Amino acid sequence: NAGVTQTPKFQVLKTGQSMTLQCAQDMNHEYMSWYRQDPGMGLRLIHYSVGAGITDQGEVPNGYNVSRSTTEDFPLRLLSAAPSQTSVYFCASSSGLDYYEQYFGPGTRLTVT
Amino acid sequence: QQQVKQSPQSLIVQKGGISIINCAYENTAFDYFPWYQQFPGKGPALLIAIRPDVSEKKEGRFTISFNKSAKQFSLHIMDSQPGDSATYFCAASRENYGQNFVFGPGTRLSVLP
Repeated sequence: NAGVTQTPKFQVLKTGQSMTLQCAQDMNHEYMSWYRQDPGMGLRLIHYSVGAGITDQGEVPNGYNVSRSTTEDFPLRLLSAAPSQTSVYFCASSSGLDYYEQYFGPGTRLTVT
Repeated sequence: QQQVKQSPQSLIVQKGGISIINCAYENTAFDYFPWYQQFPGKGPALLIAIRPDVSEKKEGRFTISFNKSAKQFSLHIMDSQPGDSATYFCAASRENYGQNFVFGPGTRLSVLP
C-alpha cells in the first residue's frame, strides 16, 4: 500500500491564481481531511469528508473548496490564492473502524507571492 | 473552548534523559487524546493515544499521563534518544466528531548525543 499520497510536493503561486492540491489513499478509508500547518500554530482543520459525496467545513475553510467523488480521492482547491494561504498542507485519512487513528500524507508546501 | 495548549515550545534533553511535554484542554467533551510525532519534511504520525477512562498508558519508552480533573495530559519519553528528535503535537477529539481534531502548537524536541 502506498498509504496517503499528495501531489505536488512543492508549489509556488502568484496572488489570484487557482490550483488543486491532490490527495489519494489506497486503504479504503471512509474519512479524509485536509489540514494546514503554520509555524507555532499546530495543524488546523480546513475541510473533511466522512465518505464519498459528503464533505463539511473545519476550523479554517475560507478560500478553499473540496469535493469527494470517490473513496480514494479528496482534492483541495484554492479558488484565488492569497499570501495568507502560504503554508504546508497535509491530507489525512482514517477508517470507520477505529476512525480516530489518522494517517497523514507527506504534505504539500505552498508559497503564494 | 476548542483550544489545546502545549508547553514547552522547545525542549533540549541529553541522551538517556526524560523528556516531558505538557498539554491542557478546556472542552470537557473531548474524549480522545493522541500524540503525534513529526520529523522534518514528513507528515505527522500517531505515536500513542489515551482515552479519559484511564490515567496512564505506556507503550515502550513512551507514556501518556492523563489528569481528567485538571484537564491536562502529558507525554513522557524515557531514556530519550537522538532518534527521538522531532516535533511532537498533542491533540484532542470528540466521539462522533472523528475528523475534528484540535491540535496543540507543537514542541520541538532535540536530544543531544
